[in-house]
Amino acid sequence: DSGVTQTPKHLITATGQRVTLRCSPRSGDLSVYWYQQSLDQGLQFLIQYYNGEERAKGNILERFSAQQFPDLHSELNLSSLELGDSALYFCASSVGSGSANEQFFGPGTRLTVL
Amino acid sequence: ILNVEQSPQSLHVQEGDSTNFTCSFPSSNFYALHWYRWETAKSPEALFVMTLNGDEKKKGRISATLNTKEGYSYLYIKGSQPEDSATYLCASKMDSSYKLIFGSGTRLLVRP
Repeated sequence: DSGVTQTPKHLITATGQRVTLRCSPRSGDLSVYWYQQSLDQGLQFLIQYYNGEERAKGNILERFSAQQFPDLHSELNLSSLELGDSALYFCASSVGSGSANEQFFGPGTRLTVL
Repeated sequence: ILNVEQSPQSLHVQEGDSTNFTCSFPSSNFYALHWYRWETAKSPEALFVMTLNGDEKKKGRISATLNTKEGYSYLYIKGSQPEDSATYLCASKMDSSYKLIFGSGTRLLVRP
């Protein structure tokens, strides 16, 4: 158990809908990262927050947005969902924001868009 | 190299064999190289983070080396066990941003 929690574990929804994925980092970690893993693709970095502020952005679609709240939990919002958005979404956390910080991954949320 | 590349894509070894795989990354603007172990139906677990050229790290039977000048890292597993079966991912920071770029992984299967 990494100490990072994600909810829900599974989510099934329809095209065009909007969903919110939630992540609570390990106690003491200030950085939260979101990753997407689609079928036959590696881990794709989406976005990073550090202490409430956006720190880095990857290949995140405009239909997707995220935020980190004062209590450091983070939410990833996915809207106008398409079939291709079906994937495993991981959240990770680390103490600092730099690239030398070990990241601890949550169990993931499996999103299925029908 | 413009991306993080791992080889081989998959590897089948017999229990007791030692094995190694490679991670190649852009050598310019290097900051850090991460190795993760990802078992099926679980989440990636950090093995090592290396930052200095010549770094060598070890955790039990698993060790890793880093060559930042030529842009590669090796991961070694000594005396592979079935429980070592997993996908091994490496990741590197490739520019001045904070994001890590992951390779596609090496899938290791250790046969009893």
